[in-house]
Amino acid sequence: AQSVSQHNHHVILSEAASLELGCNYSYGGTVNLFWYVQYPGQHLQLLLKYFSGDPLVKGIKGFEAEFIKSKFSFNLRKPSVQWSDTAEYFCAVSPGDTGFQKLVFGTGTRLLVSP
Amino acid sequence: SAVISQKPSRDICQRGTSLTIQCQVDSQVTMMFWYRQQPGQSLTLIATANQGSEATYESGFVIDKFPISRPNLTFSTLTVSNMSPEDSSIYLCSVRTSGGAYGEQFFGPGTRLTVL
Repeated sequence: AQSVSQHNHHVILSEAASLELGCNYSYGGTVNLFWYVQYPGQHLQLLLKYFSGDPLVKGIKGFEAEFIKSKFSFNLRKPSVQWSDTAEYFCAVSPGDTGFQKLVFGTGTRLLVSP
Repeated sequence: SAVISQKPSRDICQRGTSLTIQCQVDSQVTMMFWYRQQPGQSLTLIATANQGSEATYESGFVIDKFPISRPNLTFSTLTVSNMSPEDSSIYLCSVRTSGGAYGEQFFGPGTRLTVL
């Protein structure tokens, strides 16, 4: 079945540590890719997106993600996390065979950054 | 972007009753969606709300259980009917704007529903 997988459900890091959250998808055709973030008490917001072109995309707050087509992956990275990055992170895929009309979400990763 | 509000923000309901959730957007949008986020799980698309016509439901969701209305380009409602404890979830409205890139959606704050 077509799906989006996030391998880490819970991640705990100390401030200044580097972060990489994995995301793999199983759609074979063209996709648009997203990372959304939900900070405590806030609603879901877009962190970054990839449609085409440079496979390394930069988002807000120093986050970046790399699209590796051969691996069907779109991993999220940040070189040095801050306490304020504590949140839940969702990878999402918009498949071309839906006309990019829909978003399919991964299960999410809860990140806790300790000061 | 779009600013989305939902009412109510939370509710506690009795089994067998129904609850209607409202979603209001501050601008006209091309598409509106309803998602469910069950405890400890990811977001699952319930349906696409179509203006002036029946919503398009995803597999596993039916109109009798989740009737949806969208009378105009800025407003939609989702009703959770004949509720059971398994319906306890966060229900989220999202939109895609006319200028938005394909797949990019903006989300409301959600409605936290608890069914006793």
